[in-house]
Amino acid sequence: EAQVTQNPRYLITVTGKKLTVTCSQNMNHEYMSWYRQDPGLGLRQIYYSMNVEVTDKGDVPEGYKVSRKEKRNFPLILESPSPNQTSLYFCASSLYRPNTGELFFGEGSRLTVL
Amino acid sequence: ILNVEQSPQSLHVQEGDSTNFTCSFPSSNFYALHWYRWETAKSPEALFVMTLNGDEKKKGRISATLNTKEGYSYLYIKGSQPEDSATYLCASVGRAGTALIFGKGTTLSVSS
Repeated sequence: EAQVTQNPRYLITVTGKKLTVTCSQNMNHEYMSWYRQDPGLGLRQIYYSMNVEVTDKGDVPEGYKVSRKEKRNFPLILESPSPNQTSLYFCASSLYRPNTGELFFGEGSRLTVL
Repeated sequence: ILNVEQSPQSLHVQEGDSTNFTCSFPSSNFYALHWYRWETAKSPEALFVMTLNGDEKKKGRISATLNTKEGYSYLYIKGSQPEDSATYLCASVGRAGTALIFGKGTTLSVSS
């Protein structure tokens, strides 16, 4: 089954404790991206990747890191989480750039930073 | 940064009603317009990707139109059903094609 898989789905952590949210897709997609969803705001892009070893900042990259060592994986790293990073996070992928095709979303990861 | 606006913010209709929502986006630097359906506790799913002025797309009872010159898209739902209850997101893509700028969504509630 074609899918984008995120883990963990739910996480409660404390300020400053490094964490990684994994994202994996099995569709051989070139483009992958991370978004966060906060109440009253639209989905906002954190980072994106056009292909292996090619990553770039989105609109809200502060406090996050990413890597794209393999085509299928695009982990989101919070080196020192803070309460303002409490949010619902979505990973998404598309075959090529999103001006040519739809995004496929993971199921979301709800993160709470105390 | 592009601003994508959606209206109304929320909508409540009765089963069988037809309804429509609006997505407004800056017409400059436009390449594509996406529509997604997002049900509670699930992930957004694509409905349409549209690129050409005058484009019309249809999937079952849901259809969409695109006006790139004036910067708007309409999403229509004919004969709403309770299972249509969801948040409908639109997103605009610029020519670089590296990012979607999402609107805040229109939340539809359909009562039986």
